[in-house]
Amino acid sequence: QKEVEQDPGPLSVPEGAIVSLNCTYSNSAFQYFMWYRQYSRKGPELLMYTYSSGNKEDGRFTAQVDKSSKYISLFIRDSQPSDSATYLCAMTIIQGAQKLVFGQGTRLTINP
Amino acid sequence: DTGVSQDPRHKITKRGQNVTFRCDPISEHNRLYWYRQTLGQGPEFLTYFQNEAQLEKSRLLSDRFSAERPKGSFSTLEIQRTEQGDSAMYLCASASRWAGQDGYTFGSGTRLTVV
Repeated sequence: QKEVEQDPGPLSVPEGAIVSLNCTYSNSAFQYFMWYRQYSRKGPELLMYTYSSGNKEDGRFTAQVDKSSKYISLFIRDSQPSDSATYLCAMTIIQGAQKLVFGQGTRLTINP
Repeated sequence: DTGVSQDPRHKITKRGQNVTFRCDPISEHNRLYWYRQTLGQGPEFLTYFQNEAQLEKSRLLSDRFSAERPKGSFSTLEIQRTEQGDSAMYLCASASRWAGQDGYTFGSGTRLTVV
């Protein structure tokens, strides 16, 4: 079993819809949680990061962490065609190398 | 600063050949990471440098792989005797002293195709 599980999709929604992306994890030592967006043939781009349970909002994006359930989510409001990309969740522990452990990525398409 | 630069962007090589990739991190970042990403998968950790010291290597990094970061600046990743299974995107990322604060900045990657 992978440390981080993420539904690969693909997920296709109409423009303006609310998108919900999710990851579960098994390692309770993870302390920092991030969401990256990756366009085709590009490197991942950091969208949001958080370290505590609860919600964090940035514009149209909301990151949610539930450490008790080992579950994180990313919500995208008023989705735009430019949001079409692969979304990767990632997490790490604070000590040592602080290497990221990624989910598989969810491929999202926003249809005009 | 223009971010993390990787060179080349694409590399096609024949099986058995050696290849070397270069990464130029953000100048003030002392943490540097190499990841490998195959199609449809998330990036997987390969190795980590803090300044010039290579502090951690993944089991994925076989003896054919070697990475260096002389003087704590740019880094190189060399793959010897390439195999078809080495075909992947190789991503470099850098981070400040506390990686969790700002996340990691990734380069655009080097896409390796072994034929």
